Amino acid sequence: EAGVAQSPRYKIIEKRQSVAFWCNPISGHATLYWYQQILGQGPKLLIQFQNNGVVDDSQLPKDRFSAERLKGVDSTLKIQPAKLEDSAVYLCASSLWGTQYFGPGTRLLVL
Amino acid sequence: AQRVTQPEKLLSVFKGAPVELKCNYSYSGSPELFWYVQYSRQRLQLLLRHISRESIKGFTADLNKGETSFHLKKPFAQEEDSAMYYCALALNFGKGTSLLVTP
Repeated sequence: EAGVAQSPRYKIIEKRQSVAFWCNPISGHATLYWYQQILGQGPKLLIQFQNNGVVDDSQLPKDRFSAERLKGVDSTLKIQPAKLEDSAVYLCASSLWGTQYFGPGTRLLVL
Repeated sequence: AQRVTQPEKLLSVFKGAPVELKCNYSYSGSPELFWYVQYSRQRLQLLLRHISRESIKGFTADLNKGETSFHLKKPFAQEEDSAMYYCALALNFGKGTSLLVTP
């Protein structure tokens, strides 16, 4: 089966600009996660969706980050405006019965 | 609050030597613990979870509730085990340990 797809793979922007990341989960996976992984750290959960409803967004900086999962399939994560400290790899994962499958990630550099 | 501690950033062992990657957690309830692995240029993937009590690629991990630990072990390390290993308590990840197995 095809894995979790993410795009773009790399993005370089200047601070105060906006950026969006896209994730296509494995077909049939109801749960979708977005993680932020800063260099030298483990992944940090930003938001968890169950179908198109939010399960947990307690660690999402809602003043600048937003995420949606329309129709319970694809998802987008947006940052507006970006800060230098947002430079990280953004990972998307999906799961069906608790096992998470990760995408390749989007590497963001904010200058 | 749930917290995961992986005390070693880097662990270097010789091929054929035993490996133990340490993981300690802080959680008052019944923990749901995982080990994930990321090989070079590959995606993060699940290695094993404590409820399955299985051995994957020769690795095992035993939950010790008294010591709040979930250490990952392998009796004989192989070069292909070189990777980044993350311990996770539910959706909370540790900082990871880089394992380097040298010939």
